[in-house]
Amino acid sequence: DAKTTQPNSMESNEEEPVHLPCNHSTISGTDYIHWYRQLPSQGPEYVIHGLTSNVNNRMASLAIAEDRKSSTLILHRATLRDAAVYYCILRDMRVTGANNLFFGTGTRLTVIP
Amino acid sequence: NAGVTQTPKFQVLKTGQSMTLQCAQDMNHEYMSWYRQDPGMGLRLIHYSVGAGITDQGEVPNGYNVSRSTTEDFPLRLLSAAPSQTSVYFCASSYLVTGRSYNEQFFGPGTRLTVL
Repeated sequence: DAKTTQPNSMESNEEEPVHLPCNHSTISGTDYIHWYRQLPSQGPEYVIHGLTSNVNNRMASLAIAEDRKSSTLILHRATLRDAAVYYCILRDMRVTGANNLFFGTGTRLTVIP
Repeated sequence: NAGVTQTPKFQVLKTGQSMTLQCAQDMNHEYMSWYRQDPGMGLRLIHYSVGAGITDQGEVPNGYNVSRSTTEDFPLRLLSAAPSQTSVYFCASSYLVTGRSYNEQFFGPGTRLTVL
């Protein structure tokens, strides 16, 4: 699987937008970009995923660069509940074992009241 | 739905003891898996299953056994616990991914295991 690079930590003020970057310069044409987050003392939870086009859901937006070598998870208004570790994961959904996720160390987001 | 449940929440073992971590899901998911998370690190895949009777190894399978006799349950067995197995263990489940659909994974709350 292609590798992702994320900043170790970021800070944001409450109620402001947050842009969490992820670099994946070796991404293949069939790799999907997934984001999960892990709140303190909890298991990870799904946030969003995409392939080429930007995606929106109730939790966040995913902006994918035209060359797909980077992507950005956007939280439109950070709340204290959004303080978590955010993981950017690539996975080819066509291969055997596509359900398996390989986590890096992610970005720890701190939200300042 | 209860989602993914794990028992126990906490466990302390002595080196050499055995135990089973329980995981159950009530969403009729084909796929289930076990991860471990060490301090300051991301999750690492131990074992996974794509259906009853089918299991396979992940990244760090040594020291762990699994079986999948039903769709709902996927227990993780430590045969002879070692201090290196001190970790937080997460179980996850989802429908199987196909080339044209994505199915988000649901994680349990975790079991915090300490091996002395």
